[in-house]
Amino acid sequence: EIVLTQSPGTLSLSPGERATLSCRASQTVNNNYLAWYQHKPGQAPRLLISGASNRATGIPDRFSGSGSGTDFTLTISRLEPEDFAVYYCQQYGISWTFGPGTKVDIK
Amino acid sequence: QVQLVDSGGDLVKPGGSLRLSCAASGFTFSDYYMAWIRQAPGQGLEWVSYLSQSGSATYYADSVKGRFTISRDNAKKSLNLQMNSLRVEDTAVYYCARWVGGMDVWGQGTTVTVSS
Repeated sequence: EIVLTQSPGTLSLSPGERATLSCRASQTVNNNYLAWYQHKPGQAPRLLISGASNRATGIPDRFSGSGSGTDFTLTISRLEPEDFAVYYCQQYGISWTFGPGTKVDIK
Repeated sequence: QVQLVDSGGDLVKPGGSLRLSCAASGFTFSDYYMAWIRQAPGQGLEWVSYLSQSGSATYYADSVKGRFTISRDNAKKSLNLQMNSLRVEDTAVYYCARWVGGMDVWGQGTTVTVSS
């Protein structure tokens, strides 16, 4: 099973700042099959990125994904108030696994 | 519009059974893999099960294998999850989701509570 580790666990930032979230896999993620989701309390998760770097439909361009192999990054270039949430990575190269999440909260 | 509506969550005793359903609308249901994802209280997301467009290929997390059964009815545009031998640790909000290489459409979630 591929284990995903996300860091940091919590990221405290102010609106307008840049957020950099890391997702590291215990082994190579085949074909960079990695997705990122945003999840807010009481809501369904929202797909942001698939295939490590492809923005989903309707996702603002301040969200970007990068990386390959075992190291992946989600970057939010300038935090908007609605971006404070928990972010999960998911690999789907070998079966599926989710990372434990990174909470982005307001500093 | 494209929509998934989950239902069937309830309070059930350990060892009991429950059947979750998900009604799809606004898209060609039979074209997509579908999945169930859950979130236990205070925990992160966990995939539970997913299946192919025809339903012939099914996949389960180790934590539910042998106890849960995923199925679909393409004519009725519905996804189901039969949950047997429920455990306290199955307590969670369960979401159905459409898979496109990432889950791009989600239900609103239905709550399953397993408690004596």
